[in-house]
Amino acid sequence: DGGITQSPKYLFRKEGQNVTLSCEQNLNHDAMYWYRQDPGQGLRLIYYSQIVNDFQKGDIAEGYSVSREKKESFPLTVTSAQKNPTAFYLCASSRIVTENTEAFFGQGTRLTVV
Amino acid sequence: AQTVTQSQPEMSVQEAETVTLSCTYDTSENNYYLFWYKQPPSRQMILVIRQEAYKQQNATENRFSVNFQKAAKSFSLKISDSQLGDTAMYFCAFMKPTDRGSTLGRLYFGRGTQLTVWP
Repeated sequence: DGGITQSPKYLFRKEGQNVTLSCEQNLNHDAMYWYRQDPGQGLRLIYYSQIVNDFQKGDIAEGYSVSREKKESFPLTVTSAQKNPTAFYLCASSRIVTENTEAFFGQGTRLTVV
Repeated sequence: AQTVTQSQPEMSVQEAETVTLSCTYDTSENNYYLFWYKQPPSRQMILVIRQEAYKQQNATENRFSVNFQKAAKSFSLKISDSQLGDTAMYFCAFMKPTDRGSTLGRLYFGRGTQLTVWP
């Protein structure tokens, strides 16, 4: 079955550590996205990528980094520079078309700083 | 900048009744797309319904329908015959085409409305 897989589902990080969240899709989508979800905040865009080896900052990119070495994969690294990393992180992907595109989401990763 | 506002943080409805969730947005674009996503307790984001701004006809999907008022920049979701499984967080979202006219799935979200359906 085609879809988006995020791992791990739960992740714990110590203060000062970098952690990497995995996102893989087999939908052959060109575009991939990372969103952060906090209670009462909706979803906010961290980074997005329209093509391999290229990506753009979203609205809250500080303290995060990404790479897009393969079309299928878009890992997110939460660095020690991110002051409040505890949140729910959602990865999404979509086609780039002239109309009727839709974003498909993974099941999310819950990151907790301990 | 695009902003999406959902003014109802929480709503509740009895099973089999009808409920309407509100959404307004602000944009200078003329062509764009609007969505309602559902996030149940599993936290999986599920597309409920989509509306293209250039279409005057309101979108419907079974028990779900929208009231799209382009001039008022309003996009409300009506759920008819509510079911217990409709209990979820509902997000209104906006998408605009890229400068080249293609659509990129970059979404701008409202803060969500928690809907509870009770027996």
